[in-house]
This record gives sequence, structure tokens and C-alpha cells, in this order.
Amino acid sequence: LAKTTQPISMDSYEGQEVNITCSHNNIATNDYITWYQQFPSQGPRFIIQGYKTKVTNEVASLFIPADRKSSTLSLPRVSLSDTAVYYCLVGPIKAAGNKLTFGGGTRVLVKP
Amino acid sequence: GAVVSQHPSRVICKSGTSVKIECRSLDFQATTMFWYRQFPKQSLMLMATSNEGSKATYEQGVEKDKFLINHASLTLSTLTVTSAHPEDSSFYICSASNRLGHTDTQYFGPGTRLTVL
Repeated sequence: LAKTTQPISMDSYEGQEVNITCSHNNIATNDYITWYQQFPSQGPRFIIQGYKTKVTNEVASLFIPADRKSSTLSLPRVSLSDTAVYYCLVGPIKAAGNKLTFGGGTRVLVKP
Repeated sequence: GAVVSQHPSRVICKSGTSVKIECRSLDFQATTMFWYRQFPKQSLMLMATSNEGSKATYEQGVEKDKFLINHASLTLSTLTVTSAHPEDSSFYICSASNRLGHTDTQYFGPGTRLTVL
């Protein structure tokens, strides 16, 4: 499984855009990139998943450059409730049973 | 998305007793579920992979006789912590894979807080 590296923490203010970059230099051809959000004492919540270029949904965007060795999760106009830990995971997901290895995640603190 | 539930949400037990935690996929069938453990301020650590109708696969360092896993149906997996001790106190989280289009995505339950006195 490809190892990922993320910043340990980030601070932001309400209304700002938050961009979290994840490095995954040894990503494999059949690996996808998935981001999860976790609040204290809750299970991780799926945010977004992508393979290349750009993916956007109602909560976030995911930017993946052509070499796929990194990816950036973009959270537009964050609010206090976006304070959480964000995990970037990389792995094959074309078959049930693919294990996920969690790294340390990025602790995002949104200030008023 | 897909919904995964866990029961109970929190449990307190005495040292030496056994505790069972249930993980259910509510709106989809999951041939594979996963069990994680998370200590305070740390990341999730995969404990085992639960396969419907077969034995679970445990990660290195996880005692299979202490953490019994049963995946009797496509929507239910259980984790039993046998002879629990205070060091087993942790946040236990399960996940299940759901196929959306041509990819499988893991969806997580809300977690179970276990406190062993």
C-alpha cells in the first residue's frame, strides 16, 4: 500500500478555503485516492475519491496532478464545524476487501 | 453513500468479562468488513478483515483468540473482546465496503467506546 504524508495540523478561519496536500510518491497504477473526515469519538466519514485530474462534489474538490504523486483536498469556505482530522488514503479499490492503511492525518482547526 | 451502524455505542465492563460489538451494513450487503482500533490522539489501526462465511484475517500482533470475529451474514459482523483488561479500553470502529460503479469504497460505523475497569 502506498504510504502517504500529510501536514500534522493546519489552522484556518471561518469563510476561508482550506487546502490540504497529501504526498504519495509510490502510488501504483491501480491505486485510487480517498479522503475521510473524522470528528472526535466518531467513525471516519467519506469525503471524496478520485483517480486523476479533478473531482468535485457538494462538500469538497480533489485535485490530482498528472504524475499522481500528490493530491490536494480543497474545502471551500470552511465553518467551525469543519474542525476535524482529515485522512488521505491511497490504495486499490476495484475489489472488495482492499485494506486501508491510515496515516497520521491532518488536524484542521477552524477559528472564528 | 452507505450506512454502517454499530452497537453498542459505548460499553463499560469489568476486567475479565467479554464484550460483543456488532457492526451492520444497513442498506447494502458487504462480503468484507474491517475492524479498527483507535487510541486517544492516534490514528486508526486495522485489527482484522472479516470475511462472510470464512475465518477472519488478523493483522500482525493482533491476538485472534482474544478478539473473536464472526461474519455470519452479508450485513453483520461481530467483534468479541474476550477476557477484557484495562489495556483493551479503546475506540473500536468497523467499516464495510460498498461497490459504487466500478470502485469499492469503505464506509465506517460510528464507533464503540469500550472502557474496561
